[in-house]
Amino acid sequence: QSALTQPRSVSGSPGQSVTISCTGTSSDVGGYNYVSWYQEHPGKAPKLMIYDVNKRPSGVPDRFSGSKSGNTASLTISGLQADDEADYYCCSYAVTYTLLFGGGTKLTVL
Amino acid sequence: QLQLQESGPGLVKPSETLSLTCTVSGDSISGSSYYWGWIRQPPGKGLEWIGSIYYRGSTYYNPSVKSRVTISVDTSWNQFSLRLSSVTAADTAVYYCARGDLWSGYYFWGQGTLVTVSS
Repeated sequence: QSALTQPRSVSGSPGQSVTISCTGTSSDVGGYNYVSWYQEHPGKAPKLMIYDVNKRPSGVPDRFSGSKSGNTASLTISGLQADDEADYYCCSYAVTYTLLFGGGTKLTVL
Repeated sequence: QLQLQESGPGLVKPSETLSLTCTVSGDSISGSSYYWGWIRQPPGKGLEWIGSIYYRGSTYYNPSVKSRVTISVDTSWNQFSLRLSSVTAADTAVYYCARGDLWSGYYFWGQGTLVTVSS
């Protein structure tokens, strides 16, 4: 199985919204509601921001939201803040019994 | 407060076996309904799921490493371990242990440990 496809970089100004896409196939993103998103700051462990496509773990601001349409999942961050600058990875269950990650997207807050 | 801590050699020779242990505090592996997983990240690259285990022993592995990997759990020490055989330079990475729901997401992560494969 190939890694999920994410844009290498996105950017936005403070207060704006940005959306990061994650494209897979019907064998992973499109076929199951097991899409998650992780935020990774340099030198830190990844942090789960979204699970099961659109659910937020306790403590994650509601500025972060997830969605899915067909084989593409999306992470939207509204009201951008400086601390949102990080790498973001999508992840999906894939047949059979495996997890796939995307290549990662670097978010720059201008 | 849940904490996960990876431990093991930071340098492994090519063709040898990489062995890491994750010590869990603040939760009991045997009393938990969660899965315990290993994820790695080569320097400057993205994340790769290696595999996950339930305390009763059921395991799931990434097909890309399945022939070389074993994940096991030791409930008496509240630890779980990773063994990766026949390593090459491509196995050089920061290795993370984590707790979560098998396919939904991993909520808690260790700080990660860098393992370099080199002679």
